[in-house]
Amino acid sequence: SQKIEQNSEALNIQEGKTATLTCNYTNYSPAYLQWYRQDPGRGPVFLLLIRENEKEKRKERLKVTFDTTLKQSLFHITASQPADSATYLCALGGGYQKVTFGTGTKLQVIP
Amino acid sequence: NAGVTQTPKFQVLKTGQSMTLQCAQDMNHNSMYWYRQDPGMGLRLIYYSASEGTTDKGEVPNGYNVSRLNKREFSLRLESAAPSQTSVYFCASTDRSSYNEQFFGPGTRLTVL
Repeated sequence: SQKIEQNSEALNIQEGKTATLTCNYTNYSPAYLQWYRQDPGRGPVFLLLIRENEKEKRKERLKVTFDTTLKQSLFHITASQPADSATYLCALGGGYQKVTFGTGTKLQVIP
Repeated sequence: NAGVTQTPKFQVLKTGQSMTLQCAQDMNHNSMYWYRQDPGMGLRLIYYSASEGTTDKGEVPNGYNVSRLNKREFSLRLESAAPSQTSVYFCASTDRSSYNEQFFGPGTRLTVL
């Protein structure tokens, strides 16, 4: 069955460093992959999308890579700030109008 | 634009009671979704509606029913609530042309005693 894995353990990182979050998947051939941010008590907010034929996508301090051979996406936040502290979800798409979400990784940026 | 709105924000039910969770979007999106989020389980799709007049089961539809009332509104009904349905419920919508970028509501925190 399809499986999406994100680090269940929280990631603690010092302010100013680059945070790298991982999303691995099996038994899936997604046409695209999305990353969302979720703050406590709120709904997820869309951040970035990367298509299967794209290797890398950037938006301000965010960078996403997508390796369909390794079945992995990496999500980077450069020059991290305490305000970046949140849970980050990856989601894979390909079925008609549906995406499948990972469980998310909690990021804590320490001042 | 309010985006996606959900009511109520919080609800406590007793086992066997019924209730309807309401969701509305003002972005003229075609597709709408209901998810539940549980610790360690991530977001799981309950039902979705690809367009007005159609609904389809997601990953965990048992115990739920939905109604796509019109293009704006998509409701989720629990006919006989069970403690296993204690969860946070999110409604989302997407424009068909946007690779399913999902816009989420603020969520409903439901406790079934």
